[in-house]
Amino acid sequence: SQKIEQNSEALNIQEGKTATLTCNYTNYSPAYLQWYRQDPGRGPVFLLLIRENEKEKRKERLKVTFDTTLKQSLFHITASQPADSATYLCALATGFQKLVFGTGTRLLVSP
Amino acid sequence: DVKVTQSSRYLVKRTGEKVFLECVQDMDHENMFWYRQDPGLGLRLIYFSYDVKMKEKGDIPEGYSVSREKKERFSLILESASTNQTSMYLCASSLSQGQGYNEQFFGPGTRLTVL
Repeated sequence: SQKIEQNSEALNIQEGKTATLTCNYTNYSPAYLQWYRQDPGRGPVFLLLIRENEKEKRKERLKVTFDTTLKQSLFHITASQPADSATYLCALATGFQKLVFGTGTRLLVSP
Repeated sequence: DVKVTQSSRYLVKRTGEKVFLECVQDMDHENMFWYRQDPGLGLRLIYFSYDVKMKEKGDIPEGYSVSREKKERFSLILESASTNQTSMYLCASSLSQGQGYNEQFFGPGTRLTVL
């Protein structure tokens, strides 16, 4: 069966460290993958998109990698800040215009 | 800025009632989506529309219907609300552009409780 897995346990890190979140998938062959941020009680907000032929994408303190052989994407936040505390969702393109979302990983950055 | 608005932030309804959730976007996006989000299950697609009067079932369409009479508005209808439809409902929109490499813009969500 098709599955997207993100670590359901919260990730706790200290301010200034690099946070690394994982998205693994099975039985999908996505042409691209997106990452979103969601704050409590609010809708997700788009962060980054990476295509299957791209190994890495960066935007300010954010970096995403996409390994189609391992069927995995890693999402990094460098120099993390308490304001980065949120739930981060990965989403795979599964067909025309449609996305399938993982359940998300909650990140807690303590001062 | 793209804005997606939803008619209510919180809604309480009784079992058997017909419920309408409205979503409006102001950026002329072709695609609109309805999701529900539940703890441990993540976001699940209910229905999708890629044009006015066009709709496509998502992963969990049972018990729901949709209406898209105008490009900017996408309505989700619960024909006869049940307690297992208590959830957070999120509307999203995106541009239609070639092979769909487009981000989705989400509304703030409607937390629906069915008693």
